[in-house]
Amino acid sequence: KNEVEQSPQNLTAQEGEFITINCSYSVGISALHWLQQHPGGGIVSLFMLSSGKKKHGRLIATINIQEKHSSLHITASHPRDSAVYICAVYRHSGSRLTFGEGTQLTVNP
Amino acid sequence: EADIYQTPRYLVIGTGKKITLECSQTMGHDKMYWYQQDPGMELHLIHYSYGVNSTEKGDLSSESTVSRIRTEHFPLTLESARPSHTSQYLCASSEDRGSYEQYFGPGTRLTVT
Repeated sequence: KNEVEQSPQNLTAQEGEFITINCSYSVGISALHWLQQHPGGGIVSLFMLSSGKKKHGRLIATINIQEKHSSLHITASHPRDSAVYICAVYRHSGSRLTFGEGTQLTVNP
Repeated sequence: EADIYQTPRYLVIGTGKKITLECSQTMGHDKMYWYQQDPGMELHLIHYSYGVNSTEKGDLSSESTVSRIRTEHFPLTLESARPSHTSQYLCASSEDRGSYEQYFGPGTRLTVT
């Protein structure tokens, strides 16, 4: 069983829909990272959070440390949001990242 | 925007060739990392460095080697490329204290024929 699990693995939505991607982890962490990877391969940091909730534009990330769970929400989704979204955790023991397998999001016009 | 660079972005090379993938960052970060990612799969840490003259192997065994002679530079070398090395290689860096958020480079997509 992976230490970081994401669901769903694949998600197809229509433009304008509200999207939720979930991340569960089984190890002690100091922070959690949501990343976005476009087809070109480069990775962009969306959020790094250790408690509560963060918002940036149409993106919202929440984390519940007690339940070891985080969610990434996209409001009013757009085709340009199509990408792989990756959850990664920083373990208590240091700054190395453990990655989930990613969620492939496709937003159709 | 993160100032971390990788060259080349794409490389197609024949079996047996020696290659070096370059990674540089201008943020003064002590910690640097190399990840390998096969298509559709998650990232795996193959090398990391906590500072000049410090290099460690990561979670995934790799035939590549790295060096860290300067803070800003963390090249990865394959002495003899093989088709099994075909993959995407991503470099990242982070601060040594405070926020250790990792910043990623654009990646090098390597194809060995």
